[in-house]
Amino acid sequence: SQQGEEDPQALSIQEGENATMNCSYKTSINNLQWYRQNSGRGLVHLILIRSNEREKHSGRLRVTLDTSKKSSSLLITASRAADTASYFCATDDGVGGAQKLVFGQGTRLTINP
Amino acid sequence: ETGVTQTPRHLVMGMTNKKSLKCEQHLGHNAMYWYKQSAKKPLELMFVYNFKEQTENNSVPSRFSPECPNSSHLFLHLHTLQPEDSALYLCASSLGLAGDYEQYFGPGTRLTVT
Repeated sequence: SQQGEEDPQALSIQEGENATMNCSYKTSINNLQWYRQNSGRGLVHLILIRSNEREKHSGRLRVTLDTSKKSSSLLITASRAADTASYFCATDDGVGGAQKLVFGQGTRLTINP
Repeated sequence: ETGVTQTPRHLVMGMTNKKSLKCEQHLGHNAMYWYKQSAKKPLELMFVYNFKEQTENNSVPSRFSPECPNSSHLFLHLHTLQPEDSALYLCASSLGLAGDYEQYFGPGTRLTVT
């Protein structure tokens, strides 16, 4: 069953602006992860945030997690053309020893020069 | 380079052919995964292997047959596929099972079934 759903499905901004993508999920989780995928390539892991964490940073990336609302956001600051990609959130199913991640459909981000 | 390689990168096969996809990871990971990515659909988990043992088969049709001879290699054997099986097939690995660990993905095999 689909767990994470990203919003918006597509986002187009100017280089230098900030980009915010959201992810909602349905059941309780242990962790939530964000991945990036350049067109036709494999996914690249960005950040893992645990259910007891509220915010995490990595370079120009900021991820928040609100377990009460079952939602997460990914903020990319000072966007660059190279940030053009699809971004996916992935959640485990919250059951002990969760064996798999469930991915959303992704947000397609386009950074215009 | 993520440390996960996949071959071939592109494959065109007829519905009566038999072919295999290969995945190799050089990261010392214990878990390996096959995913299918079709246009306009979420990434679909197909199979999970942990320490060479299959731990998940996500209701995948029997025309897809996985094989994991050791923790570093994963194969997906294909036979009598359908056109709707055309997709990007991604292999991934992780140190442990998925929820607590990041996954490292290969570049994928673009499969076209004619």
